Amino acid sequence: GAGVSQSPSNKVTEKGKDVELRCDPISGHTALYWYRQRLGQGLEFLIYFQGNSAPDKSGLPSDRFSAERTGESVSTLTIQRTQQEDSAVYLCASSPALGAGGREQYFGPGTRLTVT
Amino acid sequence: SQQGEEDPQALSIQEGENATMNCSYKTSINNLQWYRQNSGRGLVHLILIRSNEREKHSGRLRVTLDTSKKSSSLLITASRAADTASYFCATASSGNTGKLIFGQGTTLQVKP
Repeated sequence: GAGVSQSPSNKVTEKGKDVELRCDPISGHTALYWYRQRLGQGLEFLIYFQGNSAPDKSGLPSDRFSAERTGESVSTLTIQRTQQEDSAVYLCASSPALGAGGREQYFGPGTRLTVT
Repeated sequence: SQQGEEDPQALSIQEGENATMNCSYKTSINNLQWYRQNSGRGLVHLILIRSNEREKHSGRLRVTLDTSKKSSSLLITASRAADTASYFCATASSGNTGKLIFGQGTTLQVKP
């Protein structure tokens, strides 16, 4: 079936505006993750959803960042009052239900956010 | 914070040569995974090695894991120009939530 999709692919916004990024996981995947990747850097974990459990928000850098997921479907990552340091590629990944020993993650193409 | 440290940061080799990348980590893990990223966008999963495994193969890839040294290596044999990409190791901690902590990556260039 289709892979993980993200929209928009690119977003340019002015400092201080709010932005909403969308992720459509692979159908049937119960786990969904958001990561941020600054230019030339590795991925920073932001937030993790697993089924109906409370999300792991431990990676969110500030209270300007929030995310929601309805059931096992679409997720949105919202950044309020954007700052220039928020400029990065935001990557979403999904994986099947966790089994013993863990599972691989399937990544979307990312949203490149530029804050001017 | 990043758990994985990768070495080298950049590697340039000729087609046909082997490429070795190393990853070190700090805490106990459930598994360690390697991913490839082309052109700074989506990552592709390459291989997963569990904490009770020492070596794993997939095609031209060989991954080793030494939990006593908290390190892993990725070997790409007989490299091709198409292998040019950034390679990241990522660890899933014990008490696994599935959350991955990524290293900074190794940029590999394979010259034709």
